[in-house]
Amino acid sequence: NAGVTQTPKFRILKIGQSMTLQCTQDMNHNYMYWYRQDPGMGLKLIYYSVGAGITDKGEVPNGYNVSRSTTEDFPLRLELAAPSQTSVYFCASSPGRGNSPLHFGNGTRLTVT
Amino acid sequence: AQTVTQSQPEMSVQEAETVTLSCTYDTSESDYYLFWYKQPPSRQMILVIRQEAYKQQNATENRFSVNFQKAAKSFSLKISDSQLGDAAMYFCAYRPTQGGSEKLVFGKGTKLTVNP
Repeated sequence: NAGVTQTPKFRILKIGQSMTLQCTQDMNHNYMYWYRQDPGMGLKLIYYSVGAGITDKGEVPNGYNVSRSTTEDFPLRLELAAPSQTSVYFCASSPGRGNSPLHFGNGTRLTVT
Repeated sequence: AQTVTQSQPEMSVQEAETVTLSCTYDTSESDYYLFWYKQPPSRQMILVIRQEAYKQQNATENRFSVNFQKAAKSFSLKISDSQLGDAAMYFCAYRPTQGGSEKLVFGKGTKLTVNP
């Protein structure tokens, strides 16, 4: 069982470039999330989705876009990359609300120079 | 907005000893869920333990237990018989049952070092 799979693991972007971080889960979870982790700052929510076709902004959505065309996939798009977007990005999924835990991917380390 | 505070950026413990990591949170809700996640150097986020606020009994998972003090809005994690593999970042997280119940709010984390 693969769980939550993120690609790529590492990426270096130049300022102004764009890219898509891929996330797929095989657990049939309705809820999916994108978090970013900056050193000493914990995890901050970028976007989340409660089902195919439904997305909503989290705490730090500026500079990012998402889509959710299928239950399995939840890609995160960075447009016009900036140094402030240098971070580790985590995708996660959850079967529901309440005490349902989040299942995380292994993260993508992104550097923008 | 709900906030989660972990006041100890770093902690250390001797192997086989016990350590307690602190977490406090701010909420006006009476029902919610609390979690502790572990992030080893591999970067993978792993659920350690969870607690429902309506349950008075503290959750326990093997060597991991919590001290949940609802009135004080405190949710500390106790690790007994610490092992080298417990070395990691530990994150406390909060999830409401009402508005925003889809989301987890995380603290900034505590880095735990286990000394042999």
